[in-house]
Amino acid sequence: QKEVEQDPGPLSVPEGAIVSLNCTYSNSAFQYFMWYRQYSRKGPELLMYTYSSGNKEDGRFTAQVDKSSKYISLFIRDSQPSDSATYLCAMKGVTGGGNKLTFGTGTQLKVEL
Amino acid sequence: DSGVTQTPKHLITATGQRVTLRCSPRSGDLSVYWYQQSLDQGLQFLIQYYNGEERAKGNILERFSAQQFPDLHSELNLSSLELGDSALYFCASSADPQGDEQFFGPGTRLTVL
Repeated sequence: QKEVEQDPGPLSVPEGAIVSLNCTYSNSAFQYFMWYRQYSRKGPELLMYTYSSGNKEDGRFTAQVDKSSKYISLFIRDSQPSDSATYLCAMKGVTGGGNKLTFGTGTQLKVEL
Repeated sequence: DSGVTQTPKHLITATGQRVTLRCSPRSGDLSVYWYQQSLDQGLQFLIQYYNGEERAKGNILERFSAQQFPDLHSELNLSSLELGDSALYFCASSADPQGDEQFFGPGTRLTVL
């Protein structure tokens, strides 16, 4: 079983929809959580970074962490065609070998006009 | 543009050969990370250097090695290449050794024929 599970999609939504992307994890040592966006043939781009359980908002993006359930989410409001990309969740521990990021496999999102 | 540069963009070589991938981190960042992204394995952490010293190691094969130079650029050396080494190789950098916020370069696409 992988440490981080993410539905690969593809997920297709109409423009303006609210998108929900999710990851579950099994390693209790994970304390830092990130969401990256990756356009085709490009490097991942950091979207959101959070440490605490709860919500963190940045523009149209909201990251949600529930450590008790080992579940994280990314919500995209008023989705745009330019949001079409692969979204990767990533997480890391606190100390020692925890410097490495462990990624989900990514969810491919397509926002259609 | 993340500020992380990688060369070359594409590399095509034959099995058994050796290649070197180069990365320049963002200005001021002391940590460099190498990742491999393939269709079946997703994004996998290989190794981290901080200010010239190895800091953390992931799933890096013995045929692969890396180093970080005094000017902070890093090189990833891949030897005795196999077909399965074909992948995207990303470099990321962060200001701190903990790597809470990592910024990725555009990647080098390696094709082994």
